[in-house]
Amino acid sequence: KQEVTQIPAALSVPEGENLVLNCSFTDSAIYNLQWFRQDPGKGLTSLLLIQSSQREQTSGRLNASLDKSSGRSTLYIAASQPGDSATYLCAVRVYNTDKLIFGTGTRLQVFP
Amino acid sequence: EAQVTQNPRYLITVTGKKLTVTCSQNMNHEYMSWYRQDPGLGLRQIYYSMNVEVTDKGDVPEGYKVSRKEKRNFPLILESPSPNQTSLYFCASSWTGKNSPLHFGNGTRLTVT
Repeated sequence: KQEVTQIPAALSVPEGENLVLNCSFTDSAIYNLQWFRQDPGKGLTSLLLIQSSQREQTSGRLNASLDKSSGRSTLYIAASQPGDSATYLCAVRVYNTDKLIFGTGTRLQVFP
Repeated sequence: EAQVTQNPRYLITVTGKKLTVTCSQNMNHEYMSWYRQDPGLGLRQIYYSMNVEVTDKGDVPEGYKVSRKEKRNFPLILESPSPNQTSLYFCASSWTGKNSPLHFGNGTRLTVT
């Protein structure tokens, strides 16, 4: 059974730092891995989607990598800003099904 | 504006009183799904639908029903709610392509007393 883990559960950093969020999954049979951002009281916003055949995706200050064989993905945030404060979740789309399995998220706080 | 709309945003009800949470999307997406989010457990999939009249169970379907009579709507029905269904619920949609990103609604916070 696919399990997705995110470490750390919470992170507090000063503005301007580059940081890495981690996501690991137990079964490499996936279609893709998606990173989301969740703001308090709001739904999830898709940040990046990496297909199983890809190694990384970039959008602005965000870069996500995928190592399917080792069951790991990282989300790199460059030059963090207070507006980046949110909970970040990763999810894998399980191969041969239409199920998404989510991690429990990393709560990020960037202080000025 | 492309969006997924859930109603209501907040709902307080009593055990056993049937309720429906509506979900509507205006992007002509084939795929729609429901999730619940609980502290320490993350988001768990309840039901999903690949298209009209096609639905399937997710990881936690017990106590829930869904229907997909129209492409844009995917209501979540709790026939006899219980306190353990107190949670934050999200509806999401996407194209059916396996690599299509999900679009989420803003959530419905349900409390069952």
